[in-house]
Amino acid sequence: EPEVTQTPSHQVTQMGQEVILRCVPISNHLYFYWYRQILGQKVEFLVSFYNNEISEKSEIFDDQFSVERPDGSNFTLKIRSTKLEDSAMYFCASSDEQAGGGYTFGSGTRLTVV
Amino acid sequence: GEDVEQSLFLSVREGDSSVINCTYTDSSSTYLYWYKQEPGAGLQLLTYIFSNMDMKQDQRLTVLLNKKDKHLSLRIADTQTGDSAIYFCAEGSAGGSYIPTFGRGTSLIVHP
Repeated sequence: EPEVTQTPSHQVTQMGQEVILRCVPISNHLYFYWYRQILGQKVEFLVSFYNNEISEKSEIFDDQFSVERPDGSNFTLKIRSTKLEDSAMYFCASSDEQAGGGYTFGSGTRLTVV
Repeated sequence: GEDVEQSLFLSVREGDSSVINCTYTDSSSTYLYWYKQEPGAGLQLLTYIFSNMDMKQDQRLTVLLNKKDKHLSLRIADTQTGDSAIYFCAEGSAGGSYIPTFGRGTSLIVHP
């Protein structure tokens, strides 16, 4: 069964450093998403991406965050200057349709900012 | 904005039925989802229901939707230890481009 692959599975970074979280969505999917889950809290939507541009973003997705699809397979989330409160599990997802049951999530990257 | 609430924990005995409950606030919700997260894994879609349905059954899983009360439940029949996981309720609506809004998740613990 096709999978969404995320790397690394765990990343530790120092406060103020830039991090790039990587995702390989399912190859024929058109919609791409990033979510995060701070320990013990809800899974929160960050951003959606379609047709090579951001289609929706939440209030969390401020100027410190950016997304990119640098080639035909990767979808990245960059945090420019990490803060302690960015420590969370980050999930990438992709889907072949805007609505319904087509979303597939990756296993997540646990980001720890120290 | 939209909000989805779930109880945090549920403990059941193996073989019993589990019922995980969820409430949501967005009356325009079109899709209601149940996701499962096992330790170290991503969010796996279990099932989803359209808002014009009251019930959906899929093998051991039964989803009930009370649209008037904005209440969604997931019933797992004959719960097994392999069902131990975190279960997330989520809703999607046209106003939010159908992007799922998740609850906090319910940890289901199945003991022998």
